[in-house]
Amino acid sequence: EPEVTQTPSHQVTQMGQEVILRCVPISNHLYFYWYRQILGQKVEFLVSFYNNEISEKSEIFDDQFSVERPDGSNFTLKIRSTKLEDSAMYFCASSPDRETEAFFGQGTRLTVV
Amino acid sequence: AQTVTQSQPEMSVQEAETVTLSCTYDTSESDYYLFWYKQPPSRQMILVIRQEAYKQQNATENRFSVNFQKAAKSFSLKISDSQLGDAAMYFCAYRSRSRDDKIIFGKGTRLHILP
Repeated sequence: EPEVTQTPSHQVTQMGQEVILRCVPISNHLYFYWYRQILGQKVEFLVSFYNNEISEKSEIFDDQFSVERPDGSNFTLKIRSTKLEDSAMYFCASSPDRETEAFFGQGTRLTVV
Repeated sequence: AQTVTQSQPEMSVQEAETVTLSCTYDTSESDYYLFWYKQPPSRQMILVIRQEAYKQQNATENRFSVNFQKAAKSFSLKISDSQLGDAAMYFCAYRSRSRDDKIIFGKGTRLHILP
């Protein structure tokens, strides 16, 4: 069964460094998302991406964050100058259309030290 | 703005018993989708069940069923014959059909299954 895959599963980075979280959405999906879950808390929407551009972003998704679909298969989230409070589980998701549920990857645990 | 509220941070149920998780939401729209996602200790989000707002019939998926009350904006999840593998965090979620793309999640309910 097709699935969303994310790499790495766990990333440790020093405060101030840049990180890139990678995702391979399901191949025929058109809508892509990044969500964040700080440990034990709710799942927060960061950004949605459709037709090679951001379709919506939350207040959390400020200039520190960017997304890219560099090669038609990967979907990346870049976090510049990481802060301690960026430590969280980051989930990538995709859906084939706007009428279907989103399929989630297994997440990348980001730890900023 | 749409919001999703889960008022039960934690619940426990005896194995083989039935449990109902509550969810309410707020929206001014008439056409949308509602979901229940399960997050086991592995942390991956797994879809349990979905409901289209335009359908009056409550969705059912094996031991999982929902009670969708559109006028009351209520969307509860019933798990029958609870199993140890059902222990997880359960998130209620909302998606507009006509507006933005994002799925909005509630804060979740942690379900414990007692052997």
